[in-house]
Amino acid sequence: SQTIHQWPATLVQPVGSPLSLECTVEGTSNPNLYWYRQAAGRGLQLLFYSVGIGQISSEVPQNLSASRPQDRQFILSSKKLLLSDSGFYLCAWSRTGKGKGTEAFFGQGTRLTVV
Amino acid sequence: RKEVEQDPGPFNVPEGATVAFNCTYSNSASQSFFWYRQDCRKEPKLLMSVYSSGNEDGRFTAQLNRASQYISLLIRDSKLSDSATYLCVVNSRYNQGGKLIFGQGTELSVKP
Repeated sequence: SQTIHQWPATLVQPVGSPLSLECTVEGTSNPNLYWYRQAAGRGLQLLFYSVGIGQISSEVPQNLSASRPQDRQFILSSKKLLLSDSGFYLCAWSRTGKGKGTEAFFGQGTRLTVV
Repeated sequence: RKEVEQDPGPFNVPEGATVAFNCTYSNSASQSFFWYRQDCRKEPKLLMSVYSSGNEDGRFTAQLNRASQYISLLIRDSKLSDSATYLCVVNSRYNQGGKLIFGQGTELSVKP
């Protein structure tokens, strides 16, 4: 069966510090990978998605970046955090293909507070 | 216009009530549609996929109207445990799985 791991669960970082969140998927190959952010009381905003190693699409201009160094590893980074980067960060994967069976499965999320 | 839009909510209903959520999407090329449930401070979890012919899973019924570009979720005989935020999700590009776009979510509160 497939599993997705995301860590850490909670993070408190000072403004201006770097960020690295890691997500790994097991039990599948060549998944689509996603990073979403959810501000308090808001919906999920798609930040990045990737259909393969080294292929990253950015949805929202910001001071965050993503990388996919291995097939089942997705990393979200920032060189200098802003207060507005606080939120609930969710990694997800889905199968490639079209139509049915392409739903997303989520990691447990990282709650980031920038202070 | 947002790619996926939902009823703003919140919906406050008594136990046993029937409640319906609607969601519209802007990309006519969208191919996959889903409803997710998100409990407070938790990750979203798939509730059900939405098929062209409509589909039912127990008390939950999902419908898709491609001509009008909307999907719906009907919950019958609401339970206290149904209280959550319901998210409409659309696969907005017809490629290798594309990108999954979430609506803002509709909060449901079922009261005794």
